[in-house]
Amino acid sequence: AQSVTQPDIHITVSEGASLELRCNYSYGATPYLFWYVQSPGQGLQLLLKYFSGDTLVQGIKGFEAEFKRSQSSFNLRKPSVHWSDAAEYFCAVGARGGAQKLVFGQGTRLTINP
Amino acid sequence: GAGVSQSPRYKVAKRGQDVALRCDPISGHVSLFWYQQALGQGPEFLTYFQNEAQLDKSGLPSDRFFAERPEGSVSTLKIQRTQQEDSAVYLCASRSQGMNTEAFFGQGTRLTVV
Repeated sequence: AQSVTQPDIHITVSEGASLELRCNYSYGATPYLFWYVQSPGQGLQLLLKYFSGDTLVQGIKGFEAEFKRSQSSFNLRKPSVHWSDAAEYFCAVGARGGAQKLVFGQGTRLTINP
Repeated sequence: GAGVSQSPRYKVAKRGQDVALRCDPISGHVSLFWYQQALGQGPEFLTYFQNEAQLDKSGLPSDRFFAERPEGSVSTLKIQRTQQEDSAVYLCASRSQGMNTEAFFGQGTRLTVV
């Protein structure tokens, strides 16, 4: 069965520091890969996606992610975080073709210290 | 509309009451998904529509859950005889036709069963 693991439930970083959120997946083939962000009381906003091609993907708000097939990972990075980045981050995978329903990780809550 | 719209945003139901949650997808989006997000968890797939056809309902937790999309646009998720474990945020997402397209999420309906 497909699964997504986000090993870090909660991460705290200082404003201006770099950030890396980990995501590992278990899937029969290379899936579509996504990172979503959720602020309190809000829905999910897409940060970036990987469908094919260049394994380093650029997203909104200065985020990027790198797909590493050998490690079944799709880690999210940002060189310098802002206080407004505090939120819950979800990694998700979807099948290529068909409904492309998403399987989500448990999420990583990001806290920013001033 | 500009985005996926869900109503109501908040719903408090007494145990045993029936509820109906509405989703207005982005105009023209063929695919529509419902997800359930329990507190502190990632969203979990409930059901999928392609136009008016419900092609996958494998995630519905019991026969008390029912979804419809009669005209291929607006969808309603109905929960009969609500129970406390149904308390969650219910997210709707829509996606346009095509392979490399992402899902857009609504803000969700927070259901609290008391």
